[in-house]
Amino acid sequence: DTAVSQTPKYLVTQMGNDKSIKCEQNLGHDTMYWYKQDSKKFLKIMFSYNNKELIINETVPNRFSPKSPDKAHLNLHINSLELGDSAVYFCASSQVNPANTGELFFGEGSRLTVL
Amino acid sequence: GIQVEQSPPDLILQEGANSTLRCNFSDSVNNLQWFHQNPWGQLINLFYIPSGTKQNGRLSATTVATERYSLLYISSSQTTDSGVYFCAVENIDQAGTALIFGKGTTLSVSS
Repeated sequence: DTAVSQTPKYLVTQMGNDKSIKCEQNLGHDTMYWYKQDSKKFLKIMFSYNNKELIINETVPNRFSPKSPDKAHLNLHINSLELGDSAVYFCASSQVNPANTGELFFGEGSRLTVL
Repeated sequence: GIQVEQSPPDLILQEGANSTLRCNFSDSVNNLQWFHQNPWGQLINLFYIPSGTKQNGRLSATTVATERYSLLYISSSQTTDSGVYFCAVENIDQAGTALIFGKGTTLSVSS
């Protein structure tokens, strides 16, 4: 049973479209994240949610909107896609409170290609 | 924010060789992890090591928090060790936020 699962694994779409990526974790963790990995493999934090509450919102265009319906799910919706949004998006989770082991577990990534 | 520097950026080894990867960070941390991204893109958690030394098979890691660095040792490397190794840290003053990643070390092991 996959600990952190993301769907879809691949998206190919046209500029201007809207797309969503879903993420679910079955580890019982209280915190979930979205990271973006660019073509140079650099991993950058985008958002983090702790118990459905937004904790981090890095300098990300407001075309990106995360939604956490419950602490096991964190979805990412992207409006008006641009060429520069092409990247691999990773979902991750960790247990921050009360026993802060802090170990981060990643999903398999969702490769977004904007044409 | 906290800076994370990894060295070397690239490493090419013959199977069976040993290697040491380094991670320097600019501030005190309460969380440090090493990850391996395999050629298929999967990110695997290797060590959670904010301080001290841990070993797991051919891999071991040491973090000297007071001197702000961590080392990852790979012994008797195998082709399956190829990929990118990332160090990631969380600033002690920003606990409970998110890990900040270094740019990684790309390891290529040939047979």
